[in-house]
This record gives sequence, C-alpha cells and structure tokens, in this order.
Amino acid sequence: AQKITQTQPGMFVQEKEAVTLDCTYDTSDQSYGLFWYKQPSSGEMIFLIYQGSYDEQNATEGRYSLNFQKARKSANLVISASQLGDSAMYFCAMREGPILTGGGNKLTFGTGTQLKVEL
Amino acid sequence: KAGVTQTPRYLIKTRGQQVTLSCSPISGHRSVSWYQQTPGQGLQFLFEYFSETQRNKGNFPGRFSGRQFSNSRSEMNVSTLELGDSALYLCASSLGTGRAGVRETQYFGPGTRLLVL
Repeated sequence: AQKITQTQPGMFVQEKEAVTLDCTYDTSDQSYGLFWYKQPSSGEMIFLIYQGSYDEQNATEGRYSLNFQKARKSANLVISASQLGDSAMYFCAMREGPILTGGGNKLTFGTGTQLKVEL
Repeated sequence: KAGVTQTPRYLIKTRGQQVTLSCSPISGHRSVSWYQQTPGQGLQFLFEYFSETQRNKGNFPGRFSGRQFSNSRSEMNVSTLELGDSALYLCASSLGTGRAGVRETQYFGPGTRLLVL
C-alpha cells in the first residue's frame, strides 16, 4: 500500500487565488511527521512546512498552511494568494517515528502534484 | 548559512562505467541522506550517513554505495552503471542527532542529474 498518496497529478490556479493540494498518508505509528516540499524545474527540493502527529494546531508558514485531519489521515497543503513563482511540483513526505528509535532519518514521498499558476 | 551543495550538477556516463557524486551538508549538520528521483519510480531513499557511519539503507542493489567523511561531506558511488540509473540524485542534510524527534527537517541540495547512455 502507498504510504503517501497525492491524487492530483496536475492542478491549475489563477494568480491571487487559493489552492489546496491533497495528501493522504498511511502509518500505524503514533509519532510521525509530515512535510511539504516544493520542487521548481531547476530540481532543488525546497522545504515549505511541517506538521507533527501530536501537534494540536494546524501548521502555518506565511502563505502556506496545512489542513491536518488526523482521523482521516490527511495533510493537505493550502497556498493562499497564489503567485506565478508558485508554479512547481509539490511533494508531501512523511517520517515515521523518531530518527533514533523509529523509521530512521528517511522520508517517504508521494508522487507529487504539478501546480501551474496562471494570470 | 550556506545551503547544501552538490557536485557535479550534470553528468553523462556510458553503461558499465562508475560515477561518484559529492554532497556538502549545511554547516553543523551531521546527517546526509541520498535520494534517487526518476519519472517512473519517483523519489526513493538510498541511504543515510551519520558520523561517518551508514545508519539507514533503502532497497537498492549493492552497486550503490556511499561514505561520509569526518567533516560530514558525503559521496555516493554507483558502479557498473545501467541505463536505469539515469536520474536526479538529491542529497539532504539535517542535524541527525535525534533531539528534534520526528520534527527534524531535511534540507536538500540542487541535485546531480546523471544521464547514462
């Protein structure tokens, strides 16, 4: 079974509008971390935002926020006020358990969503 | 702080050759992880090094190996290259001490694009 599922291969959004990128995950661990990364065409993976399984509040970082629904095992990324520079591939990733006692320092990635921001 | 650097950025090799990729982590980071990204398989974890020791390993054949030096710089080596090894190889650095628990964030370099002909 896929551990991280991103069901939207491609999304279009108008500039200045908000967009939600979906991510569902599968784990039996109680302690896990969820990360979103942005990958422009240049290839570098840019860290955007983090959500921990025990965090009670949804994470926010500037125009990025995470809609975390633990019972549904979903961690959707919301980008507000989209900009042309937001056009990129977006990956959801998970670390299961702490580095030293859990799954190690390994991230499992979804297949990504290609976001295109239009004028 | 300088980010993660990877060299070279682009490589073209032929089948059967071997290749060495280099990664310099963020200053103070002791963990270096390597990932392979291909259109077909997506992003896959290769291995992680911490304090010059391989701490985690993904499901890749023994042709893929790595090492880490005392300054935390890491190299990965692929021997007997196959066409399927064509990929973007990304390295990521993090503190690696475990103090941050699941929160520990990996920061990625720009990647090395390897083309095997």
